[in-house]
Parts: sequence; C-alpha cells; structure tokens
Amino acid sequence: ETGVTQSPTHLIKTRGQQVTLRCSSQSGHNTVSWYQQALGQGPQFIFQYYREEENGRGNFPPRFSGLQFPNYSSELNVNALELDDSALYLCASSLGGLNYNEQFFGPGTRLTVL
Amino acid sequence: AQSVTQLDSQVPVFEEAPVELRCNYSSSVSVYLFWYVQYPNQGLQLLLKYLSGSTLVKGINGFEAEFNKSQTSFHLRKPSVHISDTAEYFCAVSDLRDDKIIFGKGTRLHILP
Repeated sequence: ETGVTQSPTHLIKTRGQQVTLRCSSQSGHNTVSWYQQALGQGPQFIFQYYREEENGRGNFPPRFSGLQFPNYSSELNVNALELDDSALYLCASSLGGLNYNEQFFGPGTRLTVL
Repeated sequence: AQSVTQLDSQVPVFEEAPVELRCNYSSSVSVYLFWYVQYPNQGLQLLLKYLSGSTLVKGINGFEAEFNKSQTSFHLRKPSVHISDTAEYFCAVSDLRDDKIIFGKGTRLHILP
C-alpha cells in the first residue's frame, strides 16, 4: 500500500506565473484535501475534493482552483502567483463518508515565488 | 467558527525531562481534537486524536493528551522526552460535520542535551 505522494518536491516561480501541484492519494481513498502552510505557521485549509467534486473550501481566492480525477488523484492550480503564495503545500487523502476518517498527509511541495 | 490557540511558540526542555504542550480551542459545536507532529522537511503525522469516550488519549511515541471540555483544552504531555522528539507540534480541531481540519500555529519542541 503506497502512501500519499506529491510532485514536484520543490518549485520556483515568478510573480504572475501559474503553477500546478499534483497529489496521488493513498490506495482506496476517495477524498483529497489541500492545505497551505506558510513559514512559521500552521497549515490552512484550501479546499477538499470528494469523488471528483469540491466538498468545502477555505478562505482562499478563486485563483486557487483544483481538480480531482477518476483515480482520485488531485491537482492544485494557482494562477497569477503572488509573493505571499510562497509556502509548503500539503495534500491529505482520506476515505470520505459520514464518520470520522483519518487524513493521511503527503510530504508536501515547497513553492517559492520570486 | 472554530479556532485553535497554542500558547507557546517554542518550548525548550532537557532530555529525559517531562513536557507539556498547551492547546486551547474554541468552537460552538462538538469537535474532534488532534495533535500532529511535523519533523523537519516532512509532512504531518498524526500523534493522537480525541473523538469521544475517555478524555485521556494515548498516542504514538509515548505521548498522551487530555481533553478538558470545561476548560476547552487539549494539552499534550510526555513523561520523558528524547532528542528524537525534536519537531514542530500542531494542535488541531475538526468539525463533526466535515473533514476540514483547523490547525494551531504550532509549538516547536527543542530538546536540550
């Protein structure tokens, strides 16, 4: 059973560019959540996808968008990058449903915006 | 809306000494409570969780936490720390209605030799 993987590990972009981050969920999981962790801060919830549909969104502007594929892997897209978008982006997968389901985190993608 | 306050940004402690990392939460509804650990350059790992039942929760690596509803606290404790416990620790809450996790700002645990 493979865990949650994310790619790339590191990424450097310039202001105004667009970026796509990828996440492969743990086998059997149908839910992916994305978090932004700025330096020295706790992770902040961006959004969650459940069976290919957005299932909740945090306080992030529309230039943060996502996608979940039939195999439940997911992408996070950020348009018009700003300096403050520099952060560690974490994804977590879980088996969605009515009861509590533990979220398993990937190692993250560190994005630097210059 | 829920929020989490971790009262200490850094906690230095000597090796083999006990440690307590403090966490208070605010919520108008029942919540799940968590402690996560983040080792340098790694993702988050669940240490322990409180869903219901016994207020004393035991987790991995010898850590435990106690849920105190009247004080809205969920402090993390370990009776004897090891150098390998050096990491960032995050307290978190989750609404029973969805899987969104709200994290505190974290407490950096420094183990002194």
